[in-house]
Amino acid sequence: EVQLVESGGGLVKPGGSLRLSCAASGFTFRRYTMNWVRQAPGKGLEWVSSISHSSSYIYIADSLRGRFTISRDNADNSLHLQMSSLRAEDTAVYYCARGRYENYFDYWGQGTLVTVSS
Amino acid sequence: DIQMTQSPSSLSASVGDRVTITCRASQSISIYLNWYQQKPGQAPNLLIFAASNLQSGVPSRFSGSGSGTDFTLTISSLQPEDFATYYCQQSYLTWTFGQGTKVEIK
Repeated sequence: EVQLVESGGGLVKPGGSLRLSCAASGFTFRRYTMNWVRQAPGKGLEWVSSISHSSSYIYIADSLRGRFTISRDNADNSLHLQMSSLRAEDTAVYYCARGRYENYFDYWGQGTLVTVSS
Repeated sequence: DIQMTQSPSSLSASVGDRVTITCRASQSISIYLNWYQQKPGQAPNLLIFAASNLQSGVPSRFSGSGSGTDFTLTISSLQPEDFATYYCQQSYLTWTFGQGTKVEIK
């Protein structure tokens, strides 16, 4: 069974940093593109960043470039999102999702909540 | 960036109704269009990929069509468990979601 479990969310002050992680199991992690998607409270889905299976290709939303960095460790089946210079508008549930053919997202974790507030 | 516009933003329907949601891309995206369902407090769930392909395990009352800039998601006979928010997503150039369509009980 495919499982994606996010962790690392919490309350952080504006300007602070946070590192999210996603632990993957039930599939051959190193063969899949992985993605981060976020959802602000009461709002829609927003694609954040994606990383190819070997980390050769990395994509990030234009609005987040320079503040957010995606990475992965295929040795321990984990995906990460390093977030810095956090703003109130970064408050959201952050989901990790498995990608198929760099096209659609077929499995999602349950998300981790990041709250940016003083 | 490719913008995705869904319509309507919300709709009210009854069990058994046929429901259609549309999604329009700001430029041609061929068939690189996917649909997701999200229920309150849950992660999104993939319904349709590549415009018209039903994801494994998704009921056959869901169907998708379209190509280029205009796409539709149809629920042939709405069931109680289908009341949710639906999102389209383009994957032609990075990824972008539509703003969502909330399907509510009439």
